[in-house]
Order: sequence, then C-alpha cells, then structure tokens
Amino acid sequence: DTGVSQDPRHKITKRGQNVTFRCDPISEHNRLYWYRQTLGQGPEFLTYFQNEAQLEKSRLLSDRFSAERPKGSFSTLEIQRTEQGDSAMYLCASSLVDRQETQYFGPGTRLLVL
Amino acid sequence: LAKTTQPISMDSYEGQEVNITCSHNNIATNDYITWYQQFPSQGPRFIIQGYKTKVTNEVASLFIPADRKSSTLSLPRVSLSDTAVYYCLVGLNTNAGKSTFGDGTTLTVKP
Repeated sequence: DTGVSQDPRHKITKRGQNVTFRCDPISEHNRLYWYRQTLGQGPEFLTYFQNEAQLEKSRLLSDRFSAERPKGSFSTLEIQRTEQGDSAMYLCASSLVDRQETQYFGPGTRLLVL
Repeated sequence: LAKTTQPISMDSYEGQEVNITCSHNNIATNDYITWYQQFPSQGPRFIIQGYKTKVTNEVASLFIPADRKSSTLSLPRVSLSDTAVYYCLVGLNTNAGKSTFGDGTTLTVKP
C-alpha cells in the first residue's frame, strides 16, 4: 500500500455512458498525476496537477476527458460518452514538487466499456 | 525527455542475480535515472533512483557508468515474486512533471 487510493477499482459501463474516477493522494503530496495504461504497454501520461492547478494535459486527453482537483487534495477524472477505446487501467500517482521523479502510484481503476 | 531502450523480456531462475540494462544516450545533465516495478493489476512501484556511480538499497542496486548513457538495475537472488515488469525512466520535463515509461522489461523468474 503506497498511501494513494483509487475508487472504484473496477468499472464496467456501456458505450456512451459517463464515468468518474476518484484518486486520494498521499496527503502531503502537492503533485497529482493521471495515467492510462493498456495491456502490454507502459503507463501513458494524461495530466497533472500542482495543488489545485491543472498544469498540463496530454494530447491523449480528448475533450471527453476532464480532471479536477478542487481543493488540492483528492482528484476526479471524468470520461464523458465513453467509447470502447477508453477501456484501460487508469492510474493515479502523487509526488512532492521537488521529488517529482519519485511518484507513488495507486492501485488503478480498470475500466471496461462494452 | 530522454528516450530509453530496454530488453522486452528476460528469464531467470530463483536465486540468481538479474541485471537489466537500460540505454539512454541523450540523457541530460540534470536527469536522474529511476526504476519502477509493476505487478499485474497494480500500479508501478518505485524501486531505486540514481544520478551517477552506484546506488544500493534494500531491494536493488543501480549501476551508472561515468558517461551516464546507460544504467543497470541489479536484483540480487531473485525469487518467484520478483516476476514483474521493470521500467527505466530518465528525467522528467520539470515544467510538466510527466514521465515516459516505455514498455518496460518483463522479467520472468522460474523455479
């Protein structure tokens, strides 16, 4: 247990539905990251926050994806109008600003879009 | 971000020492080298990090030659539970904090 939690751990949804995932980082970590991982590949960066500010979004993050970190603590990742290609493991990680190479990952949320 | 090259897979037997080498020819002066381990259905886990020469912790050793264009993760006396994917990361875009994991090295430890 790294101290980063994600909820839910698994989600099955039908194409076109909206889904929302939550990440609770290590409390003193001011950076929070979202990644997506498909089978056989390494994690791909999606976006990251420093405190409540979303500082960068990957081109992988289409308009259907939105992430928030309203009070600089937990974060949510919402996918609207899900597509089968969104099926993946969504990973959250956190770190300190001055130790960003050392990220602590949560267990992930596995999404299956039918 | 520095591009890294690792073997796709490696096999070993219990009790052996395993060395996984990562090439990173365009590493920048300020880049650190970080290794992560990932088990199926879990998030990656930080193993070790170094800048130059040798770093050792309770899990592994990291060897970095003087030119820093490669690094070697050394796992002493592996067990079946060390079967996992190992990722080598070099540097981060400090303005973005993003990491490029690549596809890693799948290590299979056999009895």
